[in-house]
Amino acid sequence: KQEVTQIPAALSVPEGENLVLNCSFTDSAIYNLQWFRQDPGKGLTSLLLIQSSQREQTSGRLNASLDKSSGRSTLYIAASQPGDSATYLCAVWGSQGNLIFGKGTKLSVKP
Amino acid sequence: GAGVSQSPRYKVAKRGQDVALRCDPISGHVSLFWYQQALGQGPEFLTYFQNEAQLDKSGLPSDRFFAERPEGSVSTLKIQRTQQEDSAVYLCASSLSDRARYGYTFGSGTRLTVV
Repeated sequence: KQEVTQIPAALSVPEGENLVLNCSFTDSAIYNLQWFRQDPGKGLTSLLLIQSSQREQTSGRLNASLDKSSGRSTLYIAASQPGDSATYLCAVWGSQGNLIFGKGTKLSVKP
Repeated sequence: GAGVSQSPRYKVAKRGQDVALRCDPISGHVSLFWYQQALGQGPEFLTYFQNEAQLDKSGLPSDRFFAERPEGSVSTLKIQRTQQEDSAVYLCASSLSDRARYGYTFGSGTRLTVV
């Protein structure tokens, strides 16, 4: 059974810092991995989608990497801003036939 | 529509009441998913439709939960005889392909509170 773990559960950083969020999954037989952002009381906003054949994806200040063989993904946020404060969720799509989520990392960026 | 639309945004139900939650996926999206998100947790899979066919309902927690998508577009998640443990945010997502090759698009969710 696929399990997704995100570390750390919570992170507080001063504005301007570069930071890394970690995601690990137990079954490497995945089709893709997706990073989402969730603001309090809101739905999920897709940030980056990495197909299983890809190693990384970039969008603006965000870079996500995927190492399928080791069951790991990282989300790198450059020059963090207070507006980046949210919960970041990692999810994998694999042979189980649906998207399996981690519990998220709650990020707080202090001005 | 431009995105996935869910209604109502908030629902307060008395224990034992039946509720119906609606999801309007992006036009043309084949796949539709329902997830349940408890406070402080990641979303948990409930059920999956490919067009009008419900291909996976393994995540539905009990027979009080029922979902349908009769014409392959709008979907309704119905919860009968609601219990306090049903309180959660219910998220709907749709995808263009059957294996989410293009990723999922989520709605804003319906926050259900059972009192």
